[in-house]
Amino acid sequence: GGIITQTPKFLIGQEGQKLTLKCQQNFNHDTMYWYRQDSGKGLRLIYYSITENDLQKGDLSEGYDASREKKSSFSLTVTSAQKNEMAVFLCASSIGGSSGNTLYFGEGSRLIVV
Amino acid sequence: QQKVQQSPESLSVPEGGMASLNCTSSDRNFQYFWWYRQHSGEGPKALMSIFSDGDKKEGRFTAHLNKASLHVSLHIRDSQPSDSALYFCAASEFGYAQGLTFGLGTRVSVFP
Repeated sequence: GGIITQTPKFLIGQEGQKLTLKCQQNFNHDTMYWYRQDSGKGLRLIYYSITENDLQKGDLSEGYDASREKKSSFSLTVTSAQKNEMAVFLCASSIGGSSGNTLYFGEGSRLIVV
Repeated sequence: QQKVQQSPESLSVPEGGMASLNCTSSDRNFQYFWWYRQHSGEGPKALMSIFSDGDKKEGRFTAHLNKASLHVSLHIRDSQPSDSALYFCAASEFGYAQGLTFGLGTRVSVFP
């Protein structure tokens, strides 16, 4: 088995601030994902990466940057935090792409903007 | 429009009872379906996947897929308090890496 570790668990920042969330996985999976979970809106894909140094935009990428410098890690940056984007951010990984492969999620990081 | 739609939004089930959750897709490109469960304060965990028409049973959980109508269901037999959670239906296309598309979820509450 493996584990996905997200840090920090809670990230508190001010409006307009640049904030970064980190994710590490020890599954040795190729593909990693960042999702945003808002209450009542399900999970929406922000960015994904099919291999080291690869980045692909999801439906919700505006206002975010991502970085995949190592196979095991994937970080997400909120470029200018806004109060309406307080949500839980979920990192996931899969052995290949999502076509037929299960995604494994971390526990989530909650963003609070003051 | 939501590509994966779930019903009901919430469901209360007596302990020992049967919970039935439904999911319909509007995108005929979706070939693979999953049910995920999320307890409060945790990340979603995959319960089961279903890729072929018919039933798939894992313990107390049975999923059913009808590809012609793009309808997936999940039935939880002998519901336990630990089954109280948010359940998501998720789907993906053949040959695409770009993540799963999730429904908005069904909240299940099991009462004694």
